[in-house]
Amino acid sequence: GAVVSQHPSRVICKSGTSVKIECRSLDFQATTMFWYRQFPKQSLMLMATSNEGSKATYEQGVEKDKFLINHASLTLSTLTVTSAHPEDSSFYICSASLRGVSADTQYFGPGTRLTVL
Amino acid sequence: QKEVEQNSGPLSVPEGAIASLNCTYSDRGSQSFFWYRQYSGKSPELIMFIYSNGDKEDGRFTAQLNKASQYVSLLIRDSQPSDSATYLCAVNNYGQNFVFGPGTRLSVLP
Repeated sequence: GAVVSQHPSRVICKSGTSVKIECRSLDFQATTMFWYRQFPKQSLMLMATSNEGSKATYEQGVEKDKFLINHASLTLSTLTVTSAHPEDSSFYICSASLRGVSADTQYFGPGTRLTVL
Repeated sequence: QKEVEQNSGPLSVPEGAIASLNCTYSDRGSQSFFWYRQYSGKSPELIMFIYSNGDKEDGRFTAQLNKASQYVSLLIRDSQPSDSATYLCAVNNYGQNFVFGPGTRLSVLP
């Protein structure tokens, strides 16, 4: 099956610092990658959609200057949380879309748990 | 606005029973339908997908799709405690974004 990796799996940082999260599709080229955030006991919340070589499309209410997304290649997307604050503490999950003949399938990475002190 | 709804949980079933998870969607043009399982503290993992009306079976899992009724379901036969998780329904049009439902939490009681 298609494998998506994320790094790091867990990060603790001080308030005001920036944190970069990497998402890689290991065995396929992803047409599109997605970034989600999930708070405890809540649903997945889509933050942004990114395509290789294009600017990311952010969902309403997500600050693009705070959550920087770079989609450098068909297998790598990064999310940088700039000037992190405690309220940014969450579970960040990326996914990559595998394009089939008649349908796309979305595969998720294992997630990154961010704690901002 | 495209919406995906799932029956509110939590759903509790005894071990060995059939668990039935339901999902409805608003966009009649939706073409592909997915079921993901998410364990607490983990990311979602794909269980199965279905594109055509009818049933699709994979081991203990059966997905059922009825496009006329805009309804997709997931049946889990011989439910095990290890099936206890949140199940997410997702709907997609080719080339467009996925729309996820809020999830249904399933508890399988030993």
